[in-house]
Amino acid sequence: AQKITQTQPGMFVQEKEAVTLDCTYDTSDPSYGLFWYKQPSSGEMIFLIYQGSYDQQNATEGRYSLNFQKARKSANLVISASQLGDSAMYFCAMSEKTSYDKVIFGPGTSLSVIP
Amino acid sequence: DSGVTQTPKHLITATGQRVTLRCSPRSGDLSVYWYQQSLDQGLQFLIQYYNGEERAKGNILERFSAQQFPDLHSELNLSSLELGDSALYFCASSPSGTDYGYTFGSGTRLTVV
Repeated sequence: AQKITQTQPGMFVQEKEAVTLDCTYDTSDPSYGLFWYKQPSSGEMIFLIYQGSYDQQNATEGRYSLNFQKARKSANLVISASQLGDSAMYFCAMSEKTSYDKVIFGPGTSLSVIP
Repeated sequence: DSGVTQTPKHLITATGQRVTLRCSPRSGDLSVYWYQQSLDQGLQFLIQYYNGEERAKGNILERFSAQQFPDLHSELNLSSLELGDSALYFCASSPSGTDYGYTFGSGTRLTVV
């Protein structure tokens, strides 16, 4: 069963605008972590942000914030003030304590920033 | 440089052959994870090692095997290669659990011809 869903295969955003990348997940484990990774065209995987299932506040890292809605099982990534260098694939991912913390990834969203 | 070193960066080999991919984790990290990224399958978890022992197994084929050595580096062995094994193979490491995310290596691009 698909555990991570990213419904937007591709997104466009104007430079300097904010963009939200959607992610929903499915788990019955009360203890889990949610992640976002960025993969530019060069191929490397870059860790962006982490949210724990027990964290009370939404995670933020610079221009990245994670909109965590636990009841809806939603973990959207918000990028503020988009830059041309933000053009990349973005993967939502989850780890579950009952699965020894292995991380499973969603299918990804391709983001293109337009000048 | 992420601190996770993968070699080689590129590998081209023929069907039926065997190859070994190598990963050196970030200093201090005890866990190593292997992933396969292909166009049609996305990022698939293969296997995890923690301090030398296999900890979790994912969608790893029987033709594939891995191990983690006492110095914590890991090798992924792929045998009887098929065209469909062409993919980007990532290694990632973490101190123990994944509370703060993995650190990925730059990957090995395997092309089977």
